Amino acid sequence: DAGVIQSPRHEVTEMGQEVTLRCKPISGHDSLFWYRQTMMRGLELLIYFNNNVPIDDSGMPEDRFSAKMPNASFSTLKIQPSEPRDSAVYFCAIHRDQGRVTGELFFGEGSRLTVL
Amino acid sequence: AQKITQTQPGMFVQEKEAVTLDCTYDTSDPSYGLFWYKQPSSGEMIFLIYQGSYDQQNATEGRYSLNFQKARKSANLVISASQLGDSAMYFCAMREGRGGSYIPTFGRGTSLIVHP
Repeated sequence: DAGVIQSPRHEVTEMGQEVTLRCKPISGHDSLFWYRQTMMRGLELLIYFNNNVPIDDSGMPEDRFSAKMPNASFSTLKIQPSEPRDSAVYFCAIHRDQGRVTGELFFGEGSRLTVL
Repeated sequence: AQKITQTQPGMFVQEKEAVTLDCTYDTSDPSYGLFWYKQPSSGEMIFLIYQGSYDQQNATEGRYSLNFQKARKSANLVISASQLGDSAMYFCAMREGRGGSYIPTFGRGTSLIVHP
C-alpha cells in the first residue's frame, strides 16, 4: 500500500489546454513531492511541500507550472497552457512522518500525460 | 556533476542467478542515505532497501542486499536468486544531510531483464 492516490492515471490533451493532476495521500506524511519522469531527463523533482507549505519549487520548469497543497490530504499540479514537451509521467510521493530515520519515499502510480 | 551514476542502461540475468546493479554517488556531506527503488512495467516506484552513511554493515532485505563501499562511493544492489518478477527498472537514489530534508536525487536507472 503506497498510501498515495493519483488521478487521472492517463490524460491525453491538446496543446494549449489546461491540465490538472491530483494527488491524495491516504496515510500520514510530513512531506509531499511532485516528480516528472521522461526518457530524456529521467526522474526530476518539480516541487516539494513540508507540512503543506511549498519549500522548494526550483524544479518547476516555468511559470506554466503551478502546484498547490490546500490541506494535508490533497495536492494539485497544474499546467496552463500545456505543450507537447510536457508529455511525461508525473509522480506524487510522500515521506511518512512515523519516526523513520531512513527517509524513503512512497510513490503514487503516476499520471501519464500526453500533450498532442 | 551527476550525484548518482548508474552506468548500466540494461542488464540481463538468467532466472535463479544473482545479479549486481551498479551505483556510484558523489557527495561531500558526511551524513547521507542511499536508496534503491524498483519500477516494474506497471509504472509505480517501489522502495527496496536503504543504507545510511554511518551504517557499519551492508543492508539486506530478503533477496536484496546493498554492497556499500564507502571509500569508493559505491552502493551496488545485489539481487540473489533472480525471479521473472524482478524484471523492471531499478533506480539508485541519495539523500544528503541530516533529518529535515528528505529529498532524494535519483540516478537514470538500469533496466533488468530476467530470462527463464
